[in-house]
Amino acid sequence: AQSVSQHNHHVILSEAASLELGCNYSYGGTVNLFWYVQYPGQHLQLLLKYFSGDPLVKGIKGFEAEFIKSKFSFNLRKPSVQWSDTAEYFCAVNAGTGNQFYFGTGTSLTVIP
Amino acid sequence: GAGVSQSPSNKVTEKGKDVELRCDPISGHTALYWYRQSLGQGLEFLIYFQGNSAPDKSGLPSDRFSAERTGGSVSTLTIQRTQQEDSAVYLCASSLLPPGGGNQPQHFGDGTRLSIL
Repeated sequence: AQSVSQHNHHVILSEAASLELGCNYSYGGTVNLFWYVQYPGQHLQLLLKYFSGDPLVKGIKGFEAEFIKSKFSFNLRKPSVQWSDTAEYFCAVNAGTGNQFYFGTGTSLTVIP
Repeated sequence: GAGVSQSPSNKVTEKGKDVELRCDPISGHTALYWYRQSLGQGLEFLIYFQGNSAPDKSGLPSDRFSAERTGGSVSTLTIQRTQQEDSAVYLCASSLLPPGGGNQPQHFGDGTRLSIL
C-alpha cells in the first residue's frame, strides 16, 4: 500500500521565519501531489497541487512546493511566515491511475507574532 | 452555499447505538470520498464513490461501517453498534472525475464530530 510521511508533527516559528515542511511518499509510478491546509475552525482546503510539468509549483498565500521525483518528496515552503499561517498542513498523494488519495498525518504549524 | 455540506456537525451518542452521517457534495461532482480523522492521526480513507457505485471499500474498518450514495449525489455513512474507538471527525470530500484518474483536487466539508460515550 502507498504511504505518505510527514516528518514534522508540530512546528513552531516566529513571524518572518522561513518554513519547510517535509512530505515523502512511497509510490513509484506517476503521482498527483497535493498540499491541503486546515485553519483553526475551518475545513480542509487546497493549498497547491502538482500534476505534471514544472516541478516547482506555487500555491495560494505565497506557498510553494517542489516535486523531487528521485527523492519521492514534495516539500512545502514559504520564505516568510505570518501569524495567519497558523494551521494544520496535510500532504496527499494520488496514484496517477486511481482515485484513492493517501494523506499524511499532518503538521501543526504555530506562528508566534 | 456551493460547498460540501455535512450533517450533523456534532453527534454524541451512547455506545451500541447506530449513527447515520450525511454528506451533500458539490453539484456535478461525480467522485465522493469519506475519511476519518482521529486525534493525532492523519486522514484515514474509508470509502470512495464513483457515481452511485463504490469501487473501493477497502478502508472501511469493520462490517459495522457501511455507506451508500443515491442519485449520484447525497451519501450516508452508517455506523452500527458504535464503539468508543469510533469517536472521530468524519470528513466527506467530493471532486470532479475526469477520465484517467484522480488528478482533480478534493473539496472538503466541515466534518461531523462523532463522540461515543
